[in-house]
Amino acid sequence: DSGVTQTPKHLITATGQRVTLRCSPRSGDLSVYWYQQSLDQGLQFLIQYYNGEERAKGNILERFSAQQFPDLHSELNLSSLELGDSALYFCASSVASRQYNEQFFGPGTRLTVL
Amino acid sequence: AQSVAQPEDQVNVAEGNPLTVKCTYSVSGNPYLFWYVQYPNRGLQFLLKYITGDNLVKGSYGFEAEFNKSQTSFHLKKPSALVSDSALYFCAVREPQTGANNLFFGTGTRLTVIP
Repeated sequence: DSGVTQTPKHLITATGQRVTLRCSPRSGDLSVYWYQQSLDQGLQFLIQYYNGEERAKGNILERFSAQQFPDLHSELNLSSLELGDSALYFCASSVASRQYNEQFFGPGTRLTVL
Repeated sequence: AQSVAQPEDQVNVAEGNPLTVKCTYSVSGNPYLFWYVQYPNRGLQFLLKYITGDNLVKGSYGFEAEFNKSQTSFHLKKPSALVSDSALYFCAVREPQTGANNLFFGTGTRLTVIP
């Protein structure tokens, strides 16, 4: 158990809908990262927050957004969902934002868009 | 731009034999390299990392990896494979010079240890 929690574990929804994925980092970790894992794209970095501030953006679609709250939990919002958004979404956390810090991953949220 | 290649989609090894999972990278300057393992229906678990120093890095569950700068490789190894090592293994890199903090992952190698 990495100490990173993600809810829900599974989410099934329809195209055009909006969903929110939630992540609680390990105790003491200030940095949160979101990744998407799909069969065709592999593991792709979406976005990073550090202590409430957006720190880096990767291949995140404009339909997707995220935030980190004062208690350091983070939410990833996915809107106008398409079939291709079906994937496993991981949250990871690290103690700081140093490049040598390893990241600890949550169990993921499996999103299925029908 | 940084990139990571895991040339083998699948590696099969007999239990008790040594195992190697290959990884090569391409970055500007010196890389930070990581190995993660993913078990079915689980998140990624950190195994080990190379930042600087000794080229042989020891990690969790008896795994180790050797950083080879001339060959731009960071192969994962274990002297004696266990059936429980069967999983999906990911190599990842960070490129310090870019200032980017996210991990850039390879496509993964599925390791199967045959009893």
